[in-house]
Amino acid sequence: QVQLVQSGTEVKEPGASVKVSCKPSGYIFTSYYVHWVRQAPGQGLEWMAIINPSDKRADYAEQFQGRVTLTSDTPTTTIYMEISGLTSEDTAVYYCARGLYYDSFRIYYDDWFHPWGQGTLVTVSS
Amino acid sequence: SSELTQDPGVSVALGQTVKITCQGDSLKRFSASWYQQKAGQAPILVINSKNNRPSGIPDRFSGSSSGNTASLTITGAQAEDEADYYCNSRDISGKHLWVFGGGTKLTVL
Repeated sequence: QVQLVQSGTEVKEPGASVKVSCKPSGYIFTSYYVHWVRQAPGQGLEWMAIINPSDKRADYAEQFQGRVTLTSDTPTTTIYMEISGLTSEDTAVYYCARGLYYDSFRIYYDDWFHPWGQGTLVTVSS
Repeated sequence: SSELTQDPGVSVALGQTVKITCQGDSLKRFSASWYQQKAGQAPILVINSKNNRPSGIPDRFSGSSSGNTASLTITGAQAEDEADYYCNSRDISGKHLWVFGGGTKLTVL
C-alpha cells in the first residue's frame, strides 16, 4: 500500500536550521508530486510547498519562499524539507502528503493530498 | 492568493445530517477536496476533488459544489465523526499553489 514515512521529532534553537525527511513507498517515486503542510499548535493546516521528484522543481507559498527548500533524492527515494533561520513561530507539526501527477500531455490527475505522512514535530526553543 | 472560508464550528445530533461548507473564488475554477483530522492524528482524505470517497471512507460522507461554495455532507453522523474538517483547492491562478480553509470543528451531540 502507499505510505509516506517521516523522520522523527526535532528540537532546535532559534536561528538554526532543520531538515525533515519523507520517504514514500508503494508507488513509483518519480510519478507523483509531494506536498508539505504545516500545522502550528492549536491552529489549522497551512500549505507550504510542493516538489516534483522527477525534475526536482519545487514551488513555494509566498510566506515560505526563500526560507524553505525542498529537495528530492531519487536513489534513496526520499524527499527533504529544510527550514532555515528558525524562530519560535516555526514550532509546528510538519506533514508530507502525496499529490498530483501529470501525464505525457500535461494533463493532471489526482489533485488531492493522499495519503499523508505521520507528521514530524519541530520545536524551536532556547 | 486565494482564500477559503469555513465556519469555525458546527454541531450535529447523533444520527442526524450535517453540511460543512467552504467558500472561495478559487472554487469557481477548481474543485475542493476534504480532509478529516482527529485529535493528535494526521489528516486523512475523505472526499477528493472528483467528489469520490477513498477506499475505507464510509458512504455517509459525500461532497458537492455550486458556484463558489463546496460542501461536505455527513448523512447520519456518528460519534467517531467528531473531528476537524478542512477543505482545500488549488489557487485560482492555476499555478502550483494550494490553499486550505481555516477548518471546521464538528461536534456530535
